[in-house]
Amino acid sequence: GQQVMQIPQYQHVQEGEDFTTYCNSSTTLSNIQWYKQRPGGHPVFLIQLVKSGEVKKQKRLTFQFGEAKKNSSLHITATQTTDVGTYFCAEGQGPGTYKYIFGTGTRLKVLA
Amino acid sequence: DSGVTQTPKHLITATGQRVTLRCSPRSGDLSVYWYQQSLDQGLQFLIQYYNGEERAKGNILERFSAQQFPDLHSELNLSSLELGDSALYFCASRTVVDRGYLGYTFGSGTRLTVV
Repeated sequence: GQQVMQIPQYQHVQEGEDFTTYCNSSTTLSNIQWYKQRPGGHPVFLIQLVKSGEVKKQKRLTFQFGEAKKNSSLHITATQTTDVGTYFCAEGQGPGTYKYIFGTGTRLKVLA
Repeated sequence: DSGVTQTPKHLITATGQRVTLRCSPRSGDLSVYWYQQSLDQGLQFLIQYYNGEERAKGNILERFSAQQFPDLHSELNLSSLELGDSALYFCASRTVVDRGYLGYTFGSGTRLTVV
């Protein structure tokens, strides 16, 4: 099915190390959202990016939207065990339906 | 608790059978989206309803169907089940999630196991 590519698929880091996941689309996006899914849980909304080159921060998380609005990244500084989970980007498909196509996800494991 | 309610949480059934998954969006939310998440896979969009009307279809199999009722709850019907249909099925509402942005609020999902 239709999906947005994310890399890497898996990432294991030591606690305290940084982590970055990248989301790439072949088309120009109107907006992009990021979600986090804890193991055994459901996806939870983190952020939405709309403007070209936009950068948003949430504590240790930094989200960036590419200048061409075709890619995005999520960077976590000094990971903690609470960061464990799968991070998904979601590409907005509008208008009218507002459905989002989710990326393949990056599963993060943090080793204490 | 996200406010989006899905039942049942777990379902085990045999191949060839039919099941119905239920979703109640948050009070006041008109939209329902259904997603399928297979083991270690991403979220595949199945179908969207808004105020009782189908708005968009994704990669939903012909053996699957859905509807949204006047009280806005939705049901996803899966028939002639195959082993490959084993997955987590999420429903979501599109709601204001953060600073005016509209995003998805997901239910806790129904884990379907076909044996």
